[in-house]
Amino acid sequence: QQQVKQSPQSLIVQKGGISIINCAYENTAFDYFPWYQQFPGKGPALLIAIRPDVSEKKEGRFTISFNKSAKQFSLHIMDSQPGDSATYFCAASSSFSGGYNKLIFGAGTRLAVHP
Amino acid sequence: DTGVSQDPRHKITKRGQNVTFRCDPISEHNRLYWYRQTLGQGPEFLTYFQNEAQLEKSRLLSDRFSAERPKGSFSTLEIQRTEQGDSAMYLCASSFGTGNTEAFFGQGTRLTVV
Repeated sequence: QQQVKQSPQSLIVQKGGISIINCAYENTAFDYFPWYQQFPGKGPALLIAIRPDVSEKKEGRFTISFNKSAKQFSLHIMDSQPGDSATYFCAASSSFSGGYNKLIFGAGTRLAVHP
Repeated sequence: DTGVSQDPRHKITKRGQNVTFRCDPISEHNRLYWYRQTLGQGPEFLTYFQNEAQLEKSRLLSDRFSAERPKGSFSTLEIQRTEQGDSAMYLCASSFGTGNTEAFFGQGTRLTVV
């Protein structure tokens, strides 16, 4: 019930296209859903996060869509650029798990944006 | 630089040796986390500190692993009698406040056990 399932495992998009990465979860206690971007040899960097009281959050070219009833959330990268080529991780945590941010990560999506 | 700092960035050790990693969190952050990431996988939670108190340890953290956060500032993660299966990226993260607040990760320490 702690698992977060992420798809696809890898994604190739042309420059200017839309990249879409999906995640699904089982634990209904999850109430915080961040997305992290990771470049090779670097630590994950927080991109954008959403809480279940809203269905969508947009920051620049990055949008999270959240479907509470389906227990799914997705990351959309608009106008994808070669510099966006990285591994993206969705994650989830519950404020009921001791009141701190114990993140459960998906397995990651390796995005390649071709010029 | 005011981000989370980890040292060393890379460590190669022989099987059976002990290793220690250090993490310096963002200065005002009261919460500190250790995660482990193997190749092609997402990070997995290892342990959590609130100030100097270690409040949760994952089952992934065997008896060979120990973590400390003296005085609620920097933290160390020690692995005794390393095994090849310990080879991974060890990530430290920190956050501030209560509930689910943003967690910021360091660059990680890449451990290779030969």
